[in-house]
Amino acid sequence: GAVVSQHPSWVICKSGTSVKIECRSLDFQATTMFWYRQFPKQSLMLMATSNEGSKATYEQGVEKDKFLINHASLTLSTLTVTSAHPEDSSFYICSAPLGTGGWGGYTFGSGTRLTVV
Amino acid sequence: QKEVEQNSGPLSVPEGAIASLNCTYSDRVSQSFFWYRQYSGKSPELIMSIYSNGDKEDGRFTAQLNKASQYVSLLIRDSQPSDSATYLCAVNNAYGQNFVFGPGTRLSVLP
Repeated sequence: GAVVSQHPSWVICKSGTSVKIECRSLDFQATTMFWYRQFPKQSLMLMATSNEGSKATYEQGVEKDKFLINHASLTLSTLTVTSAHPEDSSFYICSAPLGTGGWGGYTFGSGTRLTVV
Repeated sequence: QKEVEQNSGPLSVPEGAIASLNCTYSDRVSQSFFWYRQYSGKSPELIMSIYSNGDKEDGRFTAQLNKASQYVSLLIRDSQPSDSATYLCAVNNAYGQNFVFGPGTRLSVLP
């Protein structure tokens, strides 16, 4: 089946540094990738939508200069958390639609737990 | 009104019982419906999809869809402690432009 590989699975970084999270579609081409953030015991929150070859679309309240998204190829999308602070500590998950317009649902990466100290 | 609604739970059922999870949605043009399971600290995994009115069975899981009532449900038969997780309902419109997740229902199966 369609697999999205997400790395790293967890990362600890110092406050003020940047962290890059990668998501690769392994056996299909993902022209679109969605990035979510989830705080403990809370729902998935859509942060942004990346499209191959164009600028990402950010949800209201998400700082595009802080959360840099790059979708340079049909199989790779990256999220860089710049100048990370403890409040950015969260579980970040990418997902890609299956079938045209997500008709087949979304497949998720395994998630990245970010801890900023 | 939220686009996709679910009871947050927790829903507690004894081992071996039937767990019934419910979801309502507001967009009448929604055409595809999904149930995801999310274990604590893990990402969601797709367990069922349904596109037509009626029931769809897969092992111990049965998804039920009623488009007229804008209602979709998931039944888990012979519930096991390993089924304890948060179950997310997701709805997609006909144009694939609006894939929305519900807030999830936390299920606890008691041994």
